[in-house]
Amino acid sequence: DIQMTQSPSSLSASIGDRVTITCRASQTISDYLNWFQQKPGKAPKLLIYAASILQSGVPSRFSGSGSVTDFTLTISGLHPEDFATYYCQQSYSSPYTFGQGTNLEI
Amino acid sequence: QLQLQESGPGLVTPSETLSLTCTVSGGSISSSTYYWGWIRQPPGKGLEWIGSIYYSGSTYDNPSLKSRVSISVDTSKNQFSLKMTSVTAADTAVYYCARLNKNYYYAVDVWGQGTTVTVSS
Repeated sequence: DIQMTQSPSSLSASIGDRVTITCRASQTISDYLNWFQQKPGKAPKLLIYAASILQSGVPSRFSGSGSVTDFTLTISGLHPEDFATYYCQQSYSSPYTFGQGTNLEI
Repeated sequence: QLQLQESGPGLVTPSETLSLTCTVSGGSISSSTYYWGWIRQPPGKGLEWIGSIYYSGSTYDNPSLKSRVSISVDTSKNQFSLKMTSVTAADTAVYYCARLNKNYYYAVDVWGQGTTVTVSS
């Protein structure tokens, strides 16, 4: 299985801050990397797929980059509704493993 | 708009079989564009991939679940199902069904609301 390692596991930030979350794959996954946002008691929501493509309806303050094994999710200008847990996931090879999550808190 | 709805028992006895069904509404499970999957999340923990299936019946399971899992599809009912045998307390989790979009690099673009399954006697 491909292991996905996210960092940091938790992150404190303020409204308006720019934050970056990183995700590293244990082997090459090309650009088959997805980012999800999850709020308590809710299903995850797709933010970015193919490493850098913004899902329809997702604000442009979210952006993704990277390829092969190293990826980042950046939120430029935090809004109150952005405080949540973020997961990366590889969809290159089944099982489509997730990172352990990053809890973004105020 | 396509929606997914999980259904099944919320309480399962240890060593028994967990059975869940996901009903697809607002679209066809037989579309060549999508795969259908199951993901779970133990209380307070992260997401775990269980497996996926194509409408043709081809499945892609998680080896870490040691062949306890089977996923099937019923195109006539627009449903797919999960069976997990020999459950233990470690299988207690919220179980999500999901749609994987081939056009989105197999990303999950639609999720069910999730159903909580507790394994306890």
